[in-house]
Amino acid sequence: SQTIHQWPATLVQPVGSPLSLECTVEGTSNPNLYWYRQAAGRGLQLLFYSVGIGQISSEVPQNLSASRPQDRQFILSSKKLLLSDSGFYLCAGRGYMNTEAFFGQGTRLTVV
Amino acid sequence: QKEVEQNSGPLSVPEGAIASLNCTYSDRGSQSFFWYRQYSGKSPELIMSIYSNGDKEDGRFTAQLNKASQYVSLLIRDSQPSDSATYLCASYNNNDMRFGAGTRLTVKP
Repeated sequence: SQTIHQWPATLVQPVGSPLSLECTVEGTSNPNLYWYRQAAGRGLQLLFYSVGIGQISSEVPQNLSASRPQDRQFILSSKKLLLSDSGFYLCAGRGYMNTEAFFGQGTRLTVV
Repeated sequence: QKEVEQNSGPLSVPEGAIASLNCTYSDRGSQSFFWYRQYSGKSPELIMSIYSNGDKEDGRFTAQLNKASQYVSLLIRDSQPSDSATYLCASYNNNDMRFGAGTRLTVKP
């Protein structure tokens, strides 16, 4: 079965510091991968998605970036965090032959 | 702009009742639709998927899809307190998966 590993579970970072969140996938090859952000009490905002190595689609202009250096690895980064970057970050994957997406456990980021 | 709209609630039903959750979507090209359940502080988990018009039943859950009206619903029969959570509706089209803001459901014992 498909499994999404995401870490760390919680993170507290000062404003202006860099960010790197990693997500890896097991149980499927050539998955579509997604990064979502969820503000407190709100829905999921699609940030980036990737259909393959080096292929990134950005949904929202912001100070975040994403990379996919390997088939089963998806990384979310920032050079300088803003207070507004606080939220619950979720990585999701969809197997090549599937349409439903499965989520990692999420990273709760607090920028202080 | 591709949108998925849900009533944010909260929706409160007594234990044993039927809970009805609704969702509309704007992208007519959407091919697949999903309902996820999210407990507070946790990641969403898939409950149901539906791809064609009509009803799909799985245990206490029934998903309904009407592509002409761009409408998706989820019925939860015999609601239990453990069903209390936020329910997210999602649509999928050509690698793009969009979520609604979610409906918060409370089932009172």
